[in-house]
Amino acid sequence: AQSVTQLDSQVPVFEEAPVELRCNYSSSVSVYLFWYVQYPNQGLQLLLKYLSGSTLVESINGFEAEFNKSQTSFHLRKPSVHISDTAEYFCAVSYNTDKLIFGTGTRLQVFP
Amino acid sequence: ETGVTQTPRHLVMGMTNKKSLKCEQHLGHNAMYWYKQSAKKPLELMFVYSLEERVENNSVPSRFSPECPNSSHLFLHLHTLQPEDSALYLCASSSGVLASVHTQYFGPGTRLTVL
Repeated sequence: AQSVTQLDSQVPVFEEAPVELRCNYSSSVSVYLFWYVQYPNQGLQLLLKYLSGSTLVESINGFEAEFNKSQTSFHLRKPSVHISDTAEYFCAVSYNTDKLIFGTGTRLQVFP
Repeated sequence: ETGVTQTPRHLVMGMTNKKSLKCEQHLGHNAMYWYKQSAKKPLELMFVYSLEERVENNSVPSRFSPECPNSSHLFLHLHTLQPEDSALYLCASSSGVLASVHTQYFGPGTRLTVL
């Protein structure tokens, strides 16, 4: 079955420390990968996406994710987090259909 | 108003009540979606509308009834709900239904509590 796994339900980290949020998906020939962020009391916002081409994709606020086909992963990283990055992060995959399949989310809590 | 708006933001209802959730998108999109977000579970796609026609219905119980009168508005009519239906209901819209091509834009959600 097509699925997305986010193993870490919560990731606590101190401000200015690096962070990695893990995402693995079930293998497929054609896959498109997304990270969404949900700030408190808000809807989901697209953070970045991989469709094709360079396996490293970046967002405007310093996050990046790397598509690794051999490991079927799309981990999200940031070298130095800020308090304002506190949010829930959702990995999602599309197998070239009208559906986005979401993971269970990872709550990133940044402490001062 | 910009983006995707949802009303009400919070709703408490009894199991015998009838209520409706409203979603409005101001982005000129052609597709709209209802998702259910429960704690510790992936987002569940409930319904998809494209050009006001329902194109997806993910085995959702009949106590949830969607309505899409035009491309800007989407409703979710609720009746005789169960406590396990308590969740955050998210509306989204996009310019087309192919998820790999068309980014979905989400509203803030309606937090529903069924007593």
